[in-house]
Amino acid sequence: EAGVAQSPRYKIIEKRQSVAFWCNPISGHATLYWYQQILGQGPKLLIQFQNNGVVDDSQLPKDRFSAERLKGVDSTLKIQPAKLEDSAVYLCASSLGPSGTDTQYFGPGTRLTVL
Amino acid sequence: AQSVAQPEDQVNVAEGNPLTVKCTYSVSGNPYLFWYVQYPNRGLQFLLKYITGDNLVKGSYGFEAEFNKSQTSFHLKKPSALVSDSALYFCAVRDMERGGYSTLTFGKGTMLLVSP
Repeated sequence: EAGVAQSPRYKIIEKRQSVAFWCNPISGHATLYWYQQILGQGPKLLIQFQNNGVVDDSQLPKDRFSAERLKGVDSTLKIQPAKLEDSAVYLCASSLGPSGTDTQYFGPGTRLTVL
Repeated sequence: AQSVAQPEDQVNVAEGNPLTVKCTYSVSGNPYLFWYVQYPNRGLQFLLKYITGDNLVKGSYGFEAEFNKSQTSFHLKKPSALVSDSALYFCAVRDMERGGYSTLTFGKGTMLLVSP
């Protein structure tokens, strides 16, 4: 079974530029998550989708971050404009459903460096 | 609010010795508990989870964890460490009372270093 795919793996941009990350979840997984992992910290949830609807985006900085999952499969996360403090690894995860018992499986992440 | 504490930034152990990585949690209701491992430049890999039932949970690569409700702990253990176990380990919790829409909250991680 293929895992969660993410691209690109690495991205370097200057502040105030825009960037987009792509995620393809495990086939059949209805729930998709985007996390931000700052160096030395655990992952922090940015947004959770159930199919193509947003379940939780309370931690998403909506003035600069946006995400979509239009067809309920792939998802993109965008930052515009980027700030220095956005330097982090952005992890995508998926699970069969939103149940608390469902295991989240993570992709390899995208390491973003903002200069 | 739910939270996870991993009190050790780093755990050092010699190959062949038993290892323990500590985790304590705080939730308002009953917890769902998870352990993940992260290798350099890789995403998080699922190791094991506690949902209900037997307090001793067995997972991947010979790891196990013991749920202790009175101490609100979920320590990760392995009887005999391997050098290849060296990695960053994360404990995470979800509040059962909030069902499927509760956030998975992670600890800050513990680096495990196994020396030959």
